Amino acid sequence: ELKVEQNPLFLSMQEGKNYTIYCNYSTTSDRLYWYRQDPGKSLESLFVLLSNGAVKQEGRLMASLDTKARLSTLHITAAVHDLSATYFCAVDVSDKLIFGTGTRLQVFP
Amino acid sequence: DSGVTQTPKHLITATGQRVTLRCSPRSGDLSVYWYQQSLDQGLQFLIQYYNGEERAKGNILERFSAQQFPDLHSELNLSSLELGDSALYFCASSYQTGITNTGELFFGEGSRLTVL
Repeated sequence: ELKVEQNPLFLSMQEGKNYTIYCNYSTTSDRLYWYRQDPGKSLESLFVLLSNGAVKQEGRLMASLDTKARLSTLHITAAVHDLSATYFCAVDVSDKLIFGTGTRLQVFP
Repeated sequence: DSGVTQTPKHLITATGQRVTLRCSPRSGDLSVYWYQQSLDQGLQFLIQYYNGEERAKGNILERFSAQQFPDLHSELNLSSLELGDSALYFCASSYQTGITNTGELFFGEGSRLTVL
């Protein structure tokens, strides 16, 4: 059975600090996605990683993909309160996305 | 705004009842996906339709069914509702050509179902 695991599940971090969220998956896939979800809201696409070694950056967030290790990371640089949300990775398996467990991020002053 | 429209936004009903959730995909998108988000199960893929035909099935209960109509909107039917069916149901859409396809999904705002 395909597993997509994220860690940590919960992350409380101070503004200005750096941290990395990890996404491990158990099947072969060359495509991985990161989404953000605010409480009670929809999922917003952050990054689309389409090949091994792909790296994308947007503002304080940077995502990377290592398909050989079946690992993706979402790095947060100099966190700000506006980044507080739940972050999901999702693996493309036969044209459907299988989501990870989610990482709930809280950034405090 | 993703361009994916879901109705109703909120729905409260009783056990044993039947409800229909509706989704209109982004203009030009041919694929519609349904996901269920609950506290204990996380985001679960239910079913996918592509241009009117079922394409993939996930953890969808037999009490649930879906279809995609010629105008590409989709409906998810939930019957014999149980307390555990209370969840946020998301619809997502994508454009798939089979040639160039990022697979990126665009999600609607969701339909929150409460079963009492």
